[in-house]
Amino acid sequence: SAVISQKPSRDICQRGTSLTIQCQVDSQVTMMFWYRQQPGQSLTLIATANQGSEATYESGFVIDKFPISRPNLTFSTLTVSNMSPEDSSIYLCSVITLAGIYNEQFFGPGTRLTVL
Amino acid sequence: GQQVMQIPQYQHVQEGEDFTTYCNSSTTLSNIQWYKQRPGGHPVFLIQLVKSGEVKKQKRLTFQFGEAKKNSSLHITATQTTDVGTYFCCMDSNYQLIWGAGTKLIIKP
Repeated sequence: SAVISQKPSRDICQRGTSLTIQCQVDSQVTMMFWYRQQPGQSLTLIATANQGSEATYESGFVIDKFPISRPNLTFSTLTVSNMSPEDSSIYLCSVITLAGIYNEQFFGPGTRLTVL
Repeated sequence: GQQVMQIPQYQHVQEGEDFTTYCNSSTTLSNIQWYKQRPGGHPVFLIQLVKSGEVKKQKRLTFQFGEAKKNSSLHITATQTTDVGTYFCCMDSNYQLIWGAGTKLIIKP
């Protein structure tokens, strides 16, 4: 398994500002993902964070709005830029580890973002 | 594009009754994973199915993968209060990860 921490755990932000969320894993991982989840809803994949190169974004998500960094195998950041109330959600990072038997994803505890 | 349908959205059961959730894909899948998310928590991996017609059991949970690898089910026998949460399927088709809408298991008081 993998232990994943996310910072911050929650934040309340003003419209038009940006927030950077950090994801730290205690072991080397093959893949890191960023998701968004509205309360009571399913998970929506934002992007795959690639080490040393640009992230791979899903349809409907763009780098200007959600810039992602992954400088090494255990750390990634997601920035939510120029926020609006529609960006209020829970943001989750997940990883697939090198030691996993399956391609199971391990999730961080999430960052609850509220935009006023 | 790739679509997945998960039903039902909610299932209310008495403790001790059975629970089943279904996922259906419009295309053939490489594999399917099932996750459980407790209220206020994050998704936790339960199982991965890869082979056509595969059936796997974990205590009271039974997972099935259809022969055509387009559908899957999760069945819980004799539900307990610890089973409460939302169960998601996650489909992998050509390295595209798509999550079902989830089925929320609610135990009637």
